Amino acid sequence: LAKTTQPISMDSYEGQEVNITCSHNNIATNDYITWYQQFPSQGPRFIIQGYKTKVTNEVASLFIPADRKSSTLSLPRVSLSDTAVYYCLVGSGGTDSWGKFQFGAGTQVVVTP
Amino acid sequence: DAGVTQSPTHLIKTRGQQVTLRCSPKSGHDTVSWYQQALGQGPQFIFQYYEEEERQRGNFPDRFSGHQFPNYSSELNVNALLLGDSALYLCASRGASNTGELFFGEGSRLTVL
Repeated sequence: LAKTTQPISMDSYEGQEVNITCSHNNIATNDYITWYQQFPSQGPRFIIQGYKTKVTNEVASLFIPADRKSSTLSLPRVSLSDTAVYYCLVGSGGTDSWGKFQFGAGTQVVVTP
Repeated sequence: DAGVTQSPTHLIKTRGQQVTLRCSPKSGHDTVSWYQQALGQGPQFIFQYYEEEERQRGNFPDRFSGHQFPNYSSELNVNALLLGDSALYLCASRGASNTGELFFGEGSRLTVL
């Protein structure tokens, strides 16, 4: 599984856009990029997944450049409830792969009023 | 539709004892993974079960074992507990769709004294 590198922490104010960039230089051709969110004492929660270019859902956008060696999770207009740890994961499909994600330390995002 | 449920939510054991944690996957899911999350760290993959067999295993000693039942529920057993086994143990399930969306339970908080 490809190793990922992301900032340890980021601070933001309510209403701002938060962009978290993850580096994954050794991403394989069939790997997808997946982001999870985790609140204290809870299990991680899936946010978004993408392979290339841009993916958007109701909570976030994921930007992936052509070389796929990095990706950026964008959280629009954050609120206090977005304070959490965000994990960037890289892995390929299939029964044998998805379940064994390699979580790093994640990025602690703190949103203040 | 119930999500992933885990039991017990909290438990305290002493060194050398054995513990069994239980997980019921989300309805319709057949693959279960277990993760260990120490305080302040990201989840670490322990193993994954599919069709009642261990399919993938992370870097954990044989003291960690598991089982999957015909109804897809799963157990995690840890023998000869060490202080370092104190952690949040997370169960995640996924279905047959080929995406990286894992559904995590709230976890079982194990404290070893």
